[in-house]
Amino acid sequence: DAMVIQNPRYQVTQFGKPVTLSCSQTLNHNVMYWYQQKSSQAPKLLFHYYDKDFNNEADTPDNFQSRRPNTSFCFLDIRSPGLGDAAMYLCATSISGEQFFGPGTRLTVL
Amino acid sequence: GEDVEQSLFLSVREGDSSVINCTYTDSSSTYLYWYKQEPGAGLQLLTYIFSNMDMKQDQRLTVLLNKKDKHLSLRIADTQTGDSAIYFCAETKGGQNFVFGPGTRLSVLP
Repeated sequence: DAMVIQNPRYQVTQFGKPVTLSCSQTLNHNVMYWYQQKSSQAPKLLFHYYDKDFNNEADTPDNFQSRRPNTSFCFLDIRSPGLGDAAMYLCATSISGEQFFGPGTRLTVL
Repeated sequence: GEDVEQSLFLSVREGDSSVINCTYTDSSSTYLYWYKQEPGAGLQLLTYIFSNMDMKQDQRLTVLLNKKDKHLSLRIADTQTGDSAIYFCAETKGGQNFVFGPGTRLSVLP
């Protein structure tokens, strides 16, 4: 049973062309996260929502934005992707100390 | 600031035990985790331990926590080729902000 779902699994975009990545959850968890992971590195937290409260990491570029219209969905918008934004983007949810990850979306920037 | 360290590589023979080590700096961590990541996939939560415990066993997995030395280990008994992956240690204080180590790449040799 899929619990944290990410769509699409693979996304190709062009340099500078806005792109949106989607995440949904069936767990009803109140916290949702977006991480960026480059190859063989630890996931890097971009931001997270505690319910509707948005928490941005200090070093997350302004190019990255997020929306959480309801408990189940969270979106990552990259306004002007650069070549350095090519990475795996991981969505996660948590409640009471347990964090669950989606399968990730691999973003390629041409 | 908070920091989590791991050795980057470990090789073992199939059938042997693997021990993956992790050290962390935040003495007020409340939960400590082990995640497994296979190529091209998201992170899979393997197990976690509360900071007031010193051991947790779950089938082939044994987690040991030495809170005095801020040292966490994951032992995998009877390691199989399917255990080949990157293993991430992580910690959190309040269950919202998760800090990940760099990951240990486990290679299981036949």
